[in-house]
Amino acid sequence: EVQLVQSGAEVKKPGESLKISCKGSGYSFSSYWIGWVRQMPGKGLEWLGTIYPGDSDTRYSPSFQGQVTISADKSISTTYLQWSSLKASDTGMYYCARRNDYADYWGQGTLVTVSS
Amino acid sequence: QSALTQPASVSGSPGQSITISCTGTSSDVGGYNYVSWYQQHPGKAPKLMIYDVSNRPSGVSNRFSGSKSGNTASLTISGLQAEDEADYYCSSYTSSSTLGFGGGTKLTVL
Repeated sequence: EVQLVQSGAEVKKPGESLKISCKGSGYSFSSYWIGWVRQMPGKGLEWLGTIYPGDSDTRYSPSFQGQVTISADKSISTTYLQWSSLKASDTGMYYCARRNDYADYWGQGTLVTVSS
Repeated sequence: QSALTQPASVSGSPGQSITISCTGTSSDVGGYNYVSWYQQHPGKAPKLMIYDVSNRPSGVSNRFSGSKSGNTASLTISGLQAEDEADYYCSSYTSSSTLGFGGGTKLTVL
């Protein structure tokens, strides 16, 4: 069974750094793109970017280039989304999802709250 | 501002059919047969309903169907049921090698 399991909810202050994770299982992790999706409170879905764990090829949506960093460690079937300096506007639910042409499996989501 | 344009809301009575449109450009919807649709219930992760314009994943009801003409894709739900009430998002592969989403459509079953 394909599963994407994300790390738990985070509460951070503006300016702090953060790295959240998404662990895949039940399939060949290195062979499928993994993307990250943001959903701000009460709003729609936004695609941040995607990574191919096999060679760490990474593509960012133009709106998020330079705002976040996506990485992967294929040895432990895990991808990461990280911020170097959080802003209040980064508050939202973040999902990982498999593939980059369509998202067939989704993680359960990680709620990130940034508040002073 | 979302890359793709969807109506904010649609509604229908049980048993009726509804269609949700998704309008993009030649750089996304019109340029690729990689349009997908997602259903999201409150507090839940999105669920894939249609991929590659008109294909249904295993386990998705055949009441859901997808199509595309030019830069506009459509999701049709026939035989509306109460459980179909949810938010629906379209998505398309783009010339930036990423996915773009629509702003979402709230479906109300009257």
